[in-house]
Amino acid sequence: DAGVIQSPRHEVTEMGQEVTLRCKPISGHNSLFWYRQTMMRGLELLIYFNNNVPIDDSGMPEDRFSAKMPNASFSTLKIQPSEPRDSAVYFCASSFVQGNQPQHFGDGTRLSIL
Amino acid sequence: RKEVEQDPGPFNVPEGATVAFNCTYSNSASQSFFWYRQDCRKEPKLLMSVYSSGNEDGRFTAQLNRASQYISLLIRDSKLSDSATYLCVVLSGTYKYIFGTGTRLKVLA
Repeated sequence: DAGVIQSPRHEVTEMGQEVTLRCKPISGHNSLFWYRQTMMRGLELLIYFNNNVPIDDSGMPEDRFSAKMPNASFSTLKIQPSEPRDSAVYFCASSFVQGNQPQHFGDGTRLSIL
Repeated sequence: RKEVEQDPGPFNVPEGATVAFNCTYSNSASQSFFWYRQDCRKEPKLLMSVYSSGNEDGRFTAQLNRASQYISLLIRDSKLSDSATYLCVVLSGTYKYIFGTGTRLKVLA
């Protein structure tokens, strides 16, 4: 079975540009998470969806960040406008929350804002 | 106090050695626990879940001590390929997966 699929794997763009990261969770999972990881701050939860509904977006840094999950098999994280301090690795993870199951991570998107 | 705490290491051990990591958590109501490994510039990968009675998977053994609120990971006969960062994860509530900052392990030839 395919794991969590993220795209693109790498993104380099200039500040001010819009960036869209994509994620396809594991089929059958009902929860999706977006994380950001940097050396300084470690792994940070940005937003959590359950059954396609955003439940906790308290980790979203500011209004420049937005996330959607239009259906059970697709989610996007958008940054507009992007800034150099947004440079990080962005991970998407999915799980089946009932039953206390573990999360499974995608390969991540390495984002560099110049 | 952090919700999940780990010794950052690094733990430098020779090949074949046995090494153990501990991880403490603050929420006594936490129900599920996991160990992940993360290689440099890669995603965290599930190593094993931690069950109340303890569990083993090959050279890896995980233990849970609810009274003292810690979990442990024991690696026997360590290999060069075990070199990575090991992340302790505690599920607190319905969906809050709390990650430790990780323990770096270097297995030396």
